[in-house]
Amino acid sequence: DGGITQSPKYLFRKEGQNVTLSCEQNLNHDAMYWYRQDPGQGLRLIYYSQIVNDFQKGDIAEGYSVSREKKESFPLTVTSAQKNPTAFYLCASSTGTSGNNEQFFGPGTRLTVL
Amino acid sequence: GEDVEQSLFLSVREGDSSVINCTYTDSSSTYLYWYKQEPGAGLQLLTYIFSNMDMKQDQRLTVLLNKKDKHLSLRIADTQTGDSAIYFCAEKDSGGYQKVTFGTGTKLQVIP
Repeated sequence: DGGITQSPKYLFRKEGQNVTLSCEQNLNHDAMYWYRQDPGQGLRLIYYSQIVNDFQKGDIAEGYSVSREKKESFPLTVTSAQKNPTAFYLCASSTGTSGNNEQFFGPGTRLTVL
Repeated sequence: GEDVEQSLFLSVREGDSSVINCTYTDSSSTYLYWYKQEPGAGLQLLTYIFSNMDMKQDQRLTVLLNKKDKHLSLRIADTQTGDSAIYFCAEKDSGGYQKVTFGTGTKLQVIP
């Protein structure tokens, strides 16, 4: 069964701690993305990666970091530098960035900072 | 940068048609999309339209694109309670990275 998974579904963090959100896909997609969703603001792009070992900042990268050491994995670290990290985080993947570029989304991780 | 706007909320009665509207600013959009998000879940692509088309129909879904006014709409015929969700409009630009910009989302409530 091909798909994209995120774990954990819910995550609680104390202020000042770093936390890493997992995203894995077995769709053999080259491109992967991280979005943040806040009520009434839609999805905002944090980071994206078009190919293994390469990634670029999106619109709101400050306070976040990523790695892309394997094609199937694109973990996101929320650092203590992120001022307002409580949000719903969505990972997505696509075959590439050209053409139709349908993005397939994971189920999301809800991060709450206590 | 690109901007994609939607109204936040729409309420319809079961069996009626729903029309969700979207406006965008990027004149170089190549593809426009409609995604659906059910509560606590990720987004799922419903349909998309290429920018040189003005209409696309797929079963109960009709997409209309007015490129001159940069206006996109999604019509759902015979709306069912299972259609209750948040609907996101998105557009893809023609730049080097071909970035996809999502709208704010419209929450559709279907009243039985």
